[in-house]
Amino acid sequence: DMKVTQMPRYLIKRMGENVLLECGQDMSHETMYWYRQDPGLGLQLIYISYDVDSNSEGDIPKGYRVSRKKREHFSLILDSAKTNQTSVYFCASSPLPGNSDYTFGSGTRLLVI
Amino acid sequence: GEQVEQLPSSLIVQEGASVLINCSYTDSASVYFPWYKQEPGKRLQFIIDIRSNMERKQNQRLTLLFDKKTKHLSLHITATQPGDSAIYFCSASRMPNYNVLYFGSGTKLTVEP
Repeated sequence: DMKVTQMPRYLIKRMGENVLLECGQDMSHETMYWYRQDPGLGLQLIYISYDVDSNSEGDIPKGYRVSRKKREHFSLILDSAKTNQTSVYFCASSPLPGNSDYTFGSGTRLLVI
Repeated sequence: GEQVEQLPSSLIVQEGASVLINCSYTDSASVYFPWYKQEPGKRLQFIIDIRSNMERKQNQRLTLLFDKKTKHLSLHITATQPGDSAIYFCSASRMPNYNVLYFGSGTKLTVEP
């Protein structure tokens, strides 16, 4: 069963702490994404990764960075988390450049207090 | 960048009713429009898509209409069931970067038995 796995599912962090969100996929997809979902705003693209060490900013990259050292694994890092980064974070993958056939993870619900 | 808007933001219907979800976009370079369904607490799942060279696409109880001239899409769901209760997202991708999807803010559909 092809899937995108996100860990953890739920996370509570204090303002100023570092946060690591992890995403894995078992489909050998080249392209991976991090989105955040906020009520009334839909999904907003944070970062896109075209392959190992080939990452590009999305629409809202400020306050985030990413790491992709293996094709199957894509991490989202928040250095010194802020309360306005409280959100649900979704990872997704797609097979080829130019292919919008996304597979989404189940999301990580992050609360920054 | 591309702006995708959805209306209404929420909808409550009785089982068996038909519903219409509207979506508009701004960028004439957008060429591919997948729709996703997100059940409570679950990941987004692809339900139907259409390309800009088509006017209509049907998948069982779902019909997607596309008007390139007005930059407008409509998702029609017939014979609704409680299992259709979810948030429905319209999205758009544009040339040349087909990978990146721009999402609407979602329509929350509740189907009451």
